Amino acid sequence: KNEVEQSPQNLTAQEGEFITINCSYSVGISALHWLQQHPGGGIVSLFMLSSGKKKHGRLIATINIQEKHSSLHITASHPRDSAVYICAVRNYGQNFVFGPGTRLSVLP
Amino acid sequence: GAVVSQHPSWVICKSGTSVKIECRSLDFQATTMFWYRQFPKQSLMLMATSNEGSKATYEQGVEKDKFLINHASLTLSTLTVTSAHPEDSSFYICSAMRPGLAGGYVTYEQYFGPGTRLTVT
Repeated sequence: KNEVEQSPQNLTAQEGEFITINCSYSVGISALHWLQQHPGGGIVSLFMLSSGKKKHGRLIATINIQEKHSSLHITASHPRDSAVYICAVRNYGQNFVFGPGTRLSVLP
Repeated sequence: GAVVSQHPSWVICKSGTSVKIECRSLDFQATTMFWYRQFPKQSLMLMATSNEGSKATYEQGVEKDKFLINHASLTLSTLTVTSAHPEDSSFYICSAMRPGLAGGYVTYEQYFGPGTRLTVT
């Protein structure tokens, strides 16, 4: 069993749809990150969470420490949101463990 | 926001040669940088943790003599792929850790470089 799992693996949505990507982990963590990787490979850190909820523009990230689960929501999705979204947890040694990623395609 | 650069962005080299990839934190000092490798359609895998002024810590299965890491200053870490082979062809990404304060607690934000695509022929 992988330490970090994501669902779904692939997701196709129509422009404007509300999107949810889930992440569950099995290890103790000091923080959880949501990363966005565009087709060119560049990675942007979207959120760093250790509790609760964060919002940035159309993106919302939540984490439930007790259930070891986090979700990334995208409201009013747009084709430019098409990317791979990666959940990464940081253990107490400050090392990252990465999820397999969710490939999102938003169609116009 | 904080910026991390990598150079080169892509490189093609012949089998048996060595390639150096640079990772720089442009507007902050990073005592710790990380190197990752990503094969096509796979997630990132941590290769090593680079600490300024000390030896890098390598993940299990990563050959330290093949992937030489030098973190000579607080803004620069280099990864040298020695005697490269076609199976080393991959996307190499670095990240730099920037400590900060939020709500009275120390936080460690990660900033990723744009990556370097290495092709070994």
